[in-house]
Amino acid sequence: SAVISQKPSRDICQRGTSLTIQCQVDSQVTMMFWYRQQPGQSLTLIATANQGSEATYESGFVIDKFPISRPNLTFSTLTVSNMSPEDSSIYLCSGLGVNYGYTFGSGTRLTVV
Amino acid sequence: AQKVTQAQTEISVVEKEDVTLDCVYETRDTTYYLFWYKQPPSGELVFLIRRNSFDEQNEISGRYSWNFQKSTSSFNFTITASQVVDSAVYFCALSEVSNDYKLSFGAGTTVTVRA
Repeated sequence: SAVISQKPSRDICQRGTSLTIQCQVDSQVTMMFWYRQQPGQSLTLIATANQGSEATYESGFVIDKFPISRPNLTFSTLTVSNMSPEDSSIYLCSGLGVNYGYTFGSGTRLTVV
Repeated sequence: AQKVTQAQTEISVVEKEDVTLDCVYETRDTTYYLFWYKQPPSGELVFLIRRNSFDEQNEISGRYSWNFQKSTSSFNFTITASQVVDSAVYFCALSEVSNDYKLSFGAGTTVTVRA
């Protein structure tokens, strides 16, 4: 199955700043997704990253706050913009392989102070 | 509406006890996939099993076993002879064709195994 390298693994950021998280897959995946996991909670889907076009966002998430890019089949970025302490979470990317297996990055643990 | 329900929020057992995690799902699709993931304190998601809707055969992998019953829309997970290293949060998840293969996660069950 595919392996996803996600970075940074963790960061502490000042409120009002932005952080870009990168995910690189070692093989082609059909779809890529971004999730947020707030402390003590389950994973919530932010958006589906579409290659070469705008991401498809879930209810409650907007492009201005979470801009996403996917310039090719194996790379995607998520930016958390104008951060506030409420954005402190683990952010994970995921890729869906051709055999319907999902691979996850190791996660980015974000703390906003 | 919640598509995946994990009834137990937390389970605490003593080492060597068996523990069963319940998962009930809801879908109108005939083709769908069910998953179990383990999330240890380090935070990464560890894939445990995938089951498609056409394969109701139960599966055993070492101390882990899964019971898939379409009649009750359940996909339960049992850890036999639990060990301290099994302490983690376990998530059940559903992928539906009609939902563009997005994974819907249950709330998770925190398992604590005491020595």
